[in-house]
Amino acid sequence: TAGITQAPTSQILAAGRSMTLRCTQDMRHNAMYWYRQDLGLGLRLIHYSNTAGTTGKGEVPDGYSVSRANTDDFPLTLASAVPSQTSVYFCASSDSPGQGQETQYFGPGTRLLVL
Amino acid sequence: GQNIDQPTEMTATEGAIVQINCTYQTSGFNGLFWYQQHAGEAPTFLSYNVLDGLEEKGRFSSFLSRSKGYSYLLLKELQMKDSASYLCAVRGGDYKLSFGAGTTVTVRA
Repeated sequence: TAGITQAPTSQILAAGRSMTLRCTQDMRHNAMYWYRQDLGLGLRLIHYSNTAGTTGKGEVPDGYSVSRANTDDFPLTLASAVPSQTSVYFCASSDSPGQGQETQYFGPGTRLLVL
Repeated sequence: GQNIDQPTEMTATEGAIVQINCTYQTSGFNGLFWYQQHAGEAPTFLSYNVLDGLEEKGRFSSFLSRSKGYSYLLLKELQMKDSASYLCAVRGGDYKLSFGAGTTVTVRA
């Protein structure tokens, strides 16, 4: 099974341009998450969705938007990229958000460089 | 806010034992997780503690003391493939995970 896929693998983006990072899971998980990982700061939650049709803001949502039209897909959009959004972006999913041993499964990541 | 601290780096010899400590101060507590992340790869789940005590899983064990805001991950019989970053994460009162910056473990022959 593919699990979680992300596209693109990496991207160089000019500041001010928009971009959508794609994330698809085939595990029929209810919850999906977007994190960014920066050296020395660890993973930080950008946005999340507990179920299709709902989204919520995480710790660092500014400059990003998400949608959850169906169970499988959870795209992350940067409307007008800035250099501080240079990071590695991980998408994750879990079956039972906030319950017991909720295991989050992570995609391979998208490495984004904003110049 | 959430504050999760763990050492930046640790080095150990193949076959040895390494203990990675994690201290946390969070708004609410609903479980502590450890993830492993090899360089350039995605994090993968290792362990989960919600009650005080030790959870053992093969060569890996994780301990939790809620009153002290403290956990450790114990890696025994270290192998070269254990060289990775180990991420401590706390599920807070909002049921979302907050991650520490990670501890990079280097295993030397």
